[in-house]
Amino acid sequence: QVQLQQSGSELMKPGASVKISCKTTGYTFSSYWIEWVKQRPGHGLEWIGEILPGSGSTNYNEKFKGKATFTADTSSNTAYMQLSSLTSEDSAVYYCARLEEMGYFDVWGAGTTVTVSS
Amino acid sequence: DIKMTQSPSSMYASLGERVIITCRARQDINNYSSWFQQKPGKSPKTLIYRANILVDGVPSRFCGSGSGQDYSLTISSLEFEDMGIYYCLQYDEFPFTFGSGTKLEIK
Repeated sequence: QVQLQQSGSELMKPGASVKISCKTTGYTFSSYWIEWVKQRPGHGLEWIGEILPGSGSTNYNEKFKGKATFTADTSSNTAYMQLSSLTSEDSAVYYCARLEEMGYFDVWGAGTTVTVSS
Repeated sequence: DIKMTQSPSSMYASLGERVIITCRARQDINNYSSWFQQKPGKSPKTLIYRANILVDGVPSRFCGSGSGQDYSLTISSLEFEDMGIYYCLQYDEFPFTFGSGTKLEIK
């Protein structure tokens, strides 16, 4: 059974960085793209980008270049997203999702809430 | 970026009613559209991909259609559990972009 387990909520200071994890089980981690999506109240869903763990290939939404950095550890089947220079605009729920080979987001993590506050 | 214009933004419907939600892309997205349902405090759930393919396990009352720039999600007979927010997505071009959402409530 494919599962994506995300790390817990984070309370961060402005200017800090945070690293969110997405631990996967139940499939060949290296072979499927992991997608990252941002959701802020009143702002709907935004696609941040994706990483293919086996190769480390990435695609970023231009809007998040310099803000988000994707990495993946194939030894622990875990994908990571680091968000840097945090501001209140980064307060949101962040989801990881697997991109199934037919090209759709078939399994989602439960989401990680990041709150940026002084 | 390909803007996805979704409508309506919110709606009330009665149990058993047919519901249609639409998305219009700024350009042809070659059927690379997907539909999601999200309930409060939960992750999105994928219902439809490639415009009209129903994800395994999704009830058959959900149906996707469309081509070119115009896509729609139809719920043939609304059930109580269908309350939530629905989003479309285009994944034809980077960056993938979502519609702004449709909040569906029971009348």
